[in-house]
Amino acid sequence: GNSVTQMEGPVTLSEEAFLTINCTYTATGYPSLFWYVQYPGEGLQLLLKATKADDKGSNKGFEATYRKETTSFHLEKGSVQVSDSAVYFCALFYNQGGKLIFGQGTELSVKP
Amino acid sequence: GAVVSQHPSWVICKSGTSVKIECRSLDFQATTMFWYRQFPKQSLMLMATSNEGSKATYEQGVEKDKFLINHASLTLSTLTVTSAHPEDSSFYICSARRGVVLDYGYTFGSGTRLTVV
Repeated sequence: GNSVTQMEGPVTLSEEAFLTINCTYTATGYPSLFWYVQYPGEGLQLLLKATKADDKGSNKGFEATYRKETTSFHLEKGSVQVSDSAVYFCALFYNQGGKLIFGQGTELSVKP
Repeated sequence: GAVVSQHPSWVICKSGTSVKIECRSLDFQATTMFWYRQFPKQSLMLMATSNEGSKATYEQGVEKDKFLINHASLTLSTLTVTSAHPEDSSFYICSARRGVVLDYGYTFGSGTRLTVV
C-alpha cells in the first residue's frame, strides 16, 4: 500500500545550521508529494509541494525535490532559524482516493 | 486565506461519557472534511472522510458506532466520541477541502486534545 516514512526526531540544530529531514515513500502510480509544518498549538500548514518527478518545491527557504528513482522527497534548508522550530510532516496524495497520507512527523528544535 | 476552526482545543471527560468536537470552515465552503487521529510521536491516521449531506466513509479498523461523524452543512462537521474510554485519549485533527479531488486546497484545524479519565 501507499506509505510515507520520515526520519525520526527530535532533530536539534543550532541557528544557521543546515537542515535535512529525510522522507521516502511507497506508492502505486505517481503521487503528489507535500511537506506540512505544525507550529506549537497550531494546525498543519502547507509548506511546499511537488506534483511530478524532478519537480522542486520551495517556500520560506525550504526546498524539496521529487526523486522518483529513489522514491524520496527530502526537506532541506540552508540556514535554519529559531522560528523554524516545529514538527514537519511529509505527505503524499494520490488521486484514486483523494486522500493525504502522512509520515510520522519529525520534530525540529533550533537553538539560538 | 482559508481558515478552519476546531473546537474545543482540549477536553477532559469521564470514561463512559460522549464528547463532541466541531470543525468549521470559516470563510469557504468545504465540500469534503477529513478527521484524523494522532498519537504521540506518530503520524496522522485518517479516520474518516465526510461529504456534506451524506454518510461518512470510515477507514478500515475505525469503529463507526464509536466515532460518529456528521457533516450537516458545507461549513460544519462534527466528530462525536461515544462512550469514551481512556484508550480513546488522543489528538484529533480535522481538515477541510475546497473544490474537486485534483484541487490541493486542504486546510487543517488546530486540533483537539482529548483526555479520558
